[in-house]
Amino acid sequence: NAGVMQNPRHLVRRRGQEARLRCSPMKGHSHVYWYRQLPEEGLKFMVYLQKENIIDESGMPKERFSAEFPKEGPSILRIQQVVRGDSAAYFCASSHSQVITDTQYFGPGTRLTVL
Amino acid sequence: QKEVEQNSGPLSVPEGAIASLNCTYSDRGSQSFFWYRQYSGKSPELIMSIYSNGDKEDGRFTAQLNKASQYVSLLIRDSQPSDSATYLCAVISGNQFYFGTGTSLTVIP
Repeated sequence: NAGVMQNPRHLVRRRGQEARLRCSPMKGHSHVYWYRQLPEEGLKFMVYLQKENIIDESGMPKERFSAEFPKEGPSILRIQQVVRGDSAAYFCASSHSQVITDTQYFGPGTRLTVL
Repeated sequence: QKEVEQNSGPLSVPEGAIASLNCTYSDRGSQSFFWYRQYSGKSPELIMSIYSNGDKEDGRFTAQLNKASQYVSLLIRDSQPSDSATYLCAVISGNQFYFGTGTSLTVIP
């Protein structure tokens, strides 16, 4: 399966712990987008990355959240000192090019629950 | 004002009927529009994209775009129970995708 992969699929953390969400883009894709979906809300853009570069992080909360996409390995969304309001589904999408209209393919998501 | 607005539904239609889903957007300069389908607990999957005014057909799906009125719609003909899902409208504004909250569709056998 050469689709977008995310892990873990489900993640439970206690308040104050760190959450690390991983995304491996589709084969041949070098553009990664992270979205958050809260219950009863739409997908909210968080960050757009290319290999070793953050292109647009205008949707990222200013504190506790960070993202990276290293030269080797998956993209990682990191949430420090999680709070209950961070509970959501986090989706990663990848595309082949930087053209904004290029189709974004979504991974299965990571469902984060903060106790 | 939200960038993209959809009626959350739920919308229920009998099997075989036409389901009509609507979406409005706020950025008059937007040029690219998408419909995604999301089954419960699953990830969104692209159904259609539309960039020009008018209709675009793909199988049982027709997307309609009216830039003057700033709305985009999705028609599903011959609705099937397997079409039951949440349909997300997405619009590119500036350099970002903006998604609506989705319309929940139930097709009743």
